[in-house]
Amino acid sequence: QLHLQESGPGLVKPSEILTLTCTVSGASVNSLISYWAWIRQPPGKGLEWIGSVHSTGSSYYNPSLKTRVTISIHASKNQFSLNLRSVTAADTAVYYCARRSSNYVDSWGQGTLVPVSS
Amino acid sequence: SYELTQPPSVSVAPGKTARITCELNNFGGKSVHWYQQKPGQAPLLVIYYDGDRPSGIPERFSGSNSGNTATLTISRVEAGDEAEYYCQVWDGDSDHGVFGGGTKLTVL
Repeated sequence: QLHLQESGPGLVKPSEILTLTCTVSGASVNSLISYWAWIRQPPGKGLEWIGSVHSTGSSYYNPSLKTRVTISIHASKNQFSLNLRSVTAADTAVYYCARRSSNYVDSWGQGTLVPVSS
Repeated sequence: SYELTQPPSVSVAPGKTARITCELNNFGGKSVHWYQQKPGQAPLLVIYYDGDRPSGIPERFSGSNSGNTATLTISRVEAGDEAEYYCQVWDGDSDHGVFGGGTKLTVL
């Protein structure tokens, strides 16, 4: 059974880099049929797609975040990661890692809240 | 810009049928996926490709998509169906998902 678990800092300061890692169990991030995604949800608000990455390393980003985001695969650890640069308070959100099957999400991590505050 | 428009809230009595709409605006013709999110939990896929149900999702959940509007229908609504529901489509121009604003389903 597929399980995804986010990990990262509990707090990030404004202007710094937010880095999160998703550890995958029950499937391989090297799978050619799966993409691995990051989605976020500000407190009390709706879902926002951040981007996704394929095992080949090809990545695809929401245009609204593209200039600040990098999503990478780390096959040896069966993980993938999110880097979001130059964060502000508006980036405070619950960040979910997920598996993207075709063009929808079929599995989600439990999510991790990342506050941006000095 | 591409937008998906959902009503902020829908209320329904137990045992009745709830219908949650998603206006596709510039996304007319695209397949729609639906997620259920209960407080403090991650979203759960309940409908994909307009009307397909993942394993484990009750048959009470169904979906349709016609013209510029997709609809999630929940029959014989139960108290446990109370949740936020989000529609989602794929923007193939820039290869990313787009979510609707969400609809809070209240079971009276």
